[in-house]
Amino acid sequence: DTTVKQNPRYKLARVGKPVNLICSQTMNHDTMYWYQKKPNQAPKLLLFYYDKILNREADTFEKFQSSRPNNSFCSLYIGSAGLEYSAMYLCASSSGGGANTGQLYFGEGSKLTVL
Amino acid sequence: GQQVQQSPSSLVLQEGENAELQCNFSSTATQLQWFYQSPGGSLVSLLSNPSGTKHTGRLTSTTVTKERRSSLHISSSQTTDSGTYLCAIDRNYAQGLTFGLGTRVSVFP
Repeated sequence: DTTVKQNPRYKLARVGKPVNLICSQTMNHDTMYWYQKKPNQAPKLLLFYYDKILNREADTFEKFQSSRPNNSFCSLYIGSAGLEYSAMYLCASSSGGGANTGQLYFGEGSKLTVL
Repeated sequence: GQQVQQSPSSLVLQEGENAELQCNFSSTATQLQWFYQSPGGSLVSLLSNPSGTKHTGRLTSTTVTKERRSSLHISSSQTTDSGTYLCAIDRNYAQGLTFGLGTRVSVFP
């Protein structure tokens, strides 16, 4: 099974409210990623977990939090949503961890709309 | 940082025609992957090809590492090939992939 599952598929949030997105994988992959995808833009890496170690991108460091309670699950948390957070959020996993990222397996995405 | 540029941005084909998609990147890539996204679907890895030529089905990828470019050739296109094709390269030391904007392919019968 090479499935990465994301919940919810669609999320409507009010400005200033928190948002929590969930991702799971059953491939026992060491690394899980969160990407943000806006229309007409390339997917942008927000953060990733290698095992229990969280790496966040410098330009989005304060905007997104994440937790990985076990190997299979990873969450993306927005403490106070702004209009600019409206986007598709893509979770991916890979078995990479050395010099190469390895093949990425993506979920179907969570579409967040902030009003 | 690393940059990935893809061309053309969009492509319209008649079923049966061949297509070539280009990917150029700004620094040496240890890994290069081509992804496909169907309309409303998830990203699916097609090929991992850091150098040389690789085939899968009707797809052929050729990467010339020294010249920092890769191509994806689609032969005998079908309507089901319609979607967006993205190129992505490895950032340094397993820190995820950097994506291009993609090429939107539309195949008509």
